[in-house]
Amino acid sequence: EVQLVESGGGLVQPGGSQRLSCAASGFTFSSYSMNWVRQAPGKGLEWVSYISSSSSTIYYADSVKGRFTVSRDNAKNSLYLRMDSLRDEDTAVYYCARDRLPYGNNVGWLDPWGQGTLVTVSS
Amino acid sequence: EIVLTQSPATLSLSPGERATLSCRASQSVNTYLAWYQQKPGQAPRLLIYDASNRATGIPARFSGSGSGTDFTLTISSLEPEDFVVYYCQQRSNWPPFTFGPGTKVDIK
Repeated sequence: EVQLVESGGGLVQPGGSQRLSCAASGFTFSSYSMNWVRQAPGKGLEWVSYISSSSSTIYYADSVKGRFTVSRDNAKNSLYLRMDSLRDEDTAVYYCARDRLPYGNNVGWLDPWGQGTLVTVSS
Repeated sequence: EIVLTQSPATLSLSPGERATLSCRASQSVNTYLAWYQQKPGQAPRLLIYDASNRATGIPARFSGSGSGTDFTLTISSLEPEDFVVYYCQQRSNWPPFTFGPGTKVDIK
């Protein structure tokens, strides 16, 4: 069974840092591009970051560029999101999501998603 | 950045009725459009990709159509579990991938 499990969420003060992890299982992690998508409480979905299977291509939403860093460890089947200089507006459930197909095919169709981890930025 | 708008914001229907949800793009996305379903407290689930292809395991009552700037998600006969929120998303001109604001289907 394909599974994505996020962890690392919690309460953090404005200006602080947090590192999220996403543990993948049930598929060849090193063959798939991955994404982070967030959802503020009661709001819609916002794409945050993309990383290709080999980490050679990385993109960020303008809202997090320069503050967030995505990375992956294919040996550990894990995806990460380092979040620095956190703001109130970064409060959200953060989901990791896999591209539907491997090897960069059909990039951007997100399937499946993890269950999400809540990051709350507040003093 | 391509902006997606969804209408209506809320659609009130009864079980067994047909649901028609709309997604409009600010510029052409060809057929690079997907639909996701999100149940309360759960992650989104991919329903439709490339405008009209059902994802694995998605029931045949869900269908997608459209190209360019106008797209439709149709649920042919609403089941009780279908009364949730639906989002469209484009991958035509990225980054960023962008999502619509969502349509909530609720019980009339």
